[in-house]
Amino acid sequence: SQTIHQWPATLVQPVGSPLSLECTVEGTSNPNLYWYRQAAGRGLQLLFYSVGIGQISSEVPQNLSASRPQDRQFILSSKKLLLSDSGFYLCAWSLRRGAEAFFGQGTRLTVV
Amino acid sequence: KQEVTQIPAALSVPEGENLVLNCSFTDSAIYNLQWFRQDPGKGLTSLLLIQSSQREQTSGRLNASLDKSSGRSTLYIAASQPGDSATYLCAVPLSGYGQNFVFGPGTRLSVLP
Repeated sequence: SQTIHQWPATLVQPVGSPLSLECTVEGTSNPNLYWYRQAAGRGLQLLFYSVGIGQISSEVPQNLSASRPQDRQFILSSKKLLLSDSGFYLCAWSLRRGAEAFFGQGTRLTVV
Repeated sequence: KQEVTQIPAALSVPEGENLVLNCSFTDSAIYNLQWFRQDPGKGLTSLLLIQSSQREQTSGRLNASLDKSSGRSTLYIAASQPGDSATYLCAVPLSGYGQNFVFGPGTRLSVLP
């Protein structure tokens, strides 16, 4: 069966520090991978998606970047965090565009 | 532009009641519709996926229906339990060549023992 792992679960980082969140998927090949952010009182916002290794598309301009160094690994990064980067970050995968999506357990990021 | 709304925003019911959560979408050209559950501080758990060609899907005490023409889906929960307390989200894939899922704002359900 397929599983998705996301870590860390919680993170408190000072403004200006770097960020690296990791997501890995097991039990499937060549998944579509997604990073979402869920801000307090707001819905889920798609940040990045990837349809293959090294292929990253950004949905919104932001202070973050994403990379996919391996087929089932998706990394969300920042060189210098802003207060506005605080939120709940969720990784997800699906077999193809429009297919059923499966989410990780999320990372609660607080920038102080 | 696809927009998804959910009614009610919050719902509190006593244990054992049957309940219905509503989801509406503006663009009926959808591949499918997915219902999720989110516990506080946790990720999303997929509950049911209804393909555009289907009218309903069932999983245990959950039943989801889809009426594409009217742009509506309902999630029916039978014999609710305190463990059902969570936020329920519906989502549809964005049409065209986009990769996004458009999510509703969610219904926060509390089932009281």
